[in-house]
Amino acid sequence: DAGVTQSPTHLIKTRGQHVTLRCSPISGHKSVSWYQQVLGQGPQFIFQYYEKEERGRGNFPDRFSARQFPNYSSELNVNALLLGDSALYLCASTPNGLAFLTDTQYFGPGTRLTVL
Amino acid sequence: DQQVKQNSPSLSVQEGRISILNCDYTNSMFDYFLWYKKYPAEGPTFLISISSIKDKNEDGRFTVFLNKSAKHLSLHIVPSQPGDSAVYFCAATNTGKLIFGQGTTLQVKP
Repeated sequence: DAGVTQSPTHLIKTRGQHVTLRCSPISGHKSVSWYQQVLGQGPQFIFQYYEKEERGRGNFPDRFSARQFPNYSSELNVNALLLGDSALYLCASTPNGLAFLTDTQYFGPGTRLTVL
Repeated sequence: DQQVKQNSPSLSVQEGRISILNCDYTNSMFDYFLWYKKYPAEGPTFLISISSIKDKNEDGRFTVFLNKSAKHLSLHIVPSQPGDSAVYFCAATNTGKLIFGQGTTLQVKP
């Protein structure tokens, strides 16, 4: 079975540009979460979507947005890129919403974003 | 504020010995704790978890201990193997949103 997939693998953008990252969850999983991992830090929660609705948001500015499609795949959008947005962006999927604490979150390999 | 802390950035152990990775947290509302392992160019992989109603959970070579009064958890790997060399993250939650520590890089020497 395919795991969580993310595209693209790597991306280089310049300050002020916009970026769209994509995630496909494990088949049958209805929830997708996005995390940002800056070098030397642990992943930080950005968003969670379940059944196409936003169910959780971390402490990130409005430049960050996301959506989930009917097939449960998801996009993360970041506008007006800053140098500090350079990070590994991870997507995780679970079968149910995050209220099911014991549902394991399965992570994709991530998208490495570099902002110059 | 860092609610989950891993104070040791790195740890080096000999193959066959025990590896002990530590994690401290500040939020007493956390009721579920997890350990993830991460290899370069891969996403974090779930290792083991523990609910706050327990103080120990074992899975093969991996054991997680939880000390709620000290707000401390640890991961024991016995025996350590070179393939265990990776970055280990502890995470905690009470909402499903995972709060991660900074990670500890474990190197297991043959």
